[in-house]
Amino acid sequence: IAGITQAPTSQILAAGRRMTLRCTQDMRHNAMYWYRQDLGLGLRLIHYSNTAGTTGKGEVPDGYSVSRANTDDFPLTLASAVPSQTSVYFCASSDGRGHGTDTQYFGPGTRLTVL
Amino acid sequence: AQTVTQSQPEMSVQEAETVTLSCTYDTSESNYYLFWYKQPPSRQMILVIRQEAYKQQNATENRFSVNFQKAAKSFSLKISDSQLGDTAMYFCAFMKALNTDKLIFGTGTRLQVFP
Repeated sequence: IAGITQAPTSQILAAGRRMTLRCTQDMRHNAMYWYRQDLGLGLRLIHYSNTAGTTGKGEVPDGYSVSRANTDDFPLTLASAVPSQTSVYFCASSDGRGHGTDTQYFGPGTRLTVL
Repeated sequence: AQTVTQSQPEMSVQEAETVTLSCTYDTSESNYYLFWYKQPPSRQMILVIRQEAYKQQNATENRFSVNFQKAAKSFSLKISDSQLGDTAMYFCAFMKALNTDKLIFGTGTRLQVFP
């Protein structure tokens, strides 16, 4: 079982360009999440999806969009990248079938640099 | 709103010794979950241990154990018999007891294990 894969591993991007970070999980988890990790701030939630076809905004959603066309994939798009979006991005998933016991499992992360 | 505070930005310990990482949180919820995640230099976020707030017994996973003080809103991590491979960033995280919900992270403690 691969778990969660993210692509690319790292990327340098010019400001103003569009970028999609990919995330795929093979655990048939209902819920998926995108976090960004910045030095001194820990991880902060960008967007989440409780199940295929639904998405929601997290703590820092501005400048990002997501879609959830199926269970396995949860891409994160930066429509017009800005330098403040330089960060490490983590995708995570959890079972999401109830009982409030959902542990989130994380992908390996994508390091994005916007110049 | 919930907050998680890790007041120790950096700690060090000698191999085979015991170290305790501190975490406090603030919430008005009565039912929730607490987590410790480890992030080694590889960047991967790895679940170390999880505690359900309704359980009085402290969680234990091999060399890792927690001291959960619900009234004090404290959730410290004790690492016994420290190993070089324990060198990593450690993040404390909080989650409300809903079907799916975001993790709220502390800012992390960098632990260095010396030979």
